[in-house]
Amino acid sequence: NAGVTQTPKFQVLKTGQSMTLQCAQDMNHNSMYWYRQDPGMGLRLIYYSASEGTTDKGEVPNGYNVSRLNKREFSLRLESAAPSQTSVYFCASSEFRQDWGMGQPQHFGDGTRLSIL
Amino acid sequence: TQLLKQSPQFLSIQEGENLTVYCNSSSVFSSLQWYRQEPGEGPVLLVTVVTGGEVKKLKRLTFQFGDARKDSSLHITAAQPGDTGLYLCASMNRDDKIIFGKGTRLHILP
Repeated sequence: NAGVTQTPKFQVLKTGQSMTLQCAQDMNHNSMYWYRQDPGMGLRLIYYSASEGTTDKGEVPNGYNVSRLNKREFSLRLESAAPSQTSVYFCASSEFRQDWGMGQPQHFGDGTRLSIL
Repeated sequence: TQLLKQSPQFLSIQEGENLTVYCNSSSVFSSLQWYRQEPGEGPVLLVTVVTGGEVKKLKRLTFQFGDARKDSSLHITAAQPGDTGLYLCASMNRDDKIIFGKGTRLHILP
């Protein structure tokens, strides 16, 4: 099982360029998430999709857009990249978001390392 | 805004020693998850604690949830180099958003 697959693994952009980060899961999960991880800041939720057809803002949504393309795929788009968006981006999925507190894990991909020059 | 404070931020100890790391909040947790993250990979769930006073064991790892559900600890007995990694706690805040602490970076010296 591949689990959660993120592409690309690495990317360098110039300020102002646009980019879409792709995420796909093969576990038939309903909920998907995008996080960014910065040194000393832990993981911060950007957007999430509780189920196919819905998306909601997380803690740090500004400068990003998302698309839940189908049940498997959840993409993150940077319309005009800024140096402050240099980070490691993680996609995750879980069976049902509302069951998070009852022990249901989020399964994470291995991340996309994005540098904005 | 609910924040999760993890301490210590960094910890480097010799193989075979015991250690405890902490996750605290000013607000009551609904439940709490502990994850471990290794370099170049995403976090992997270790445990979820739900009930105040709950203790869960995972081999040499012991997780405790405070009686008031405002704090949690992770104790590792006889640490091994394979325990090296970033330990993260996570919970859900009042806005129903999943939040993570900044993590404890643990390094076990052989």
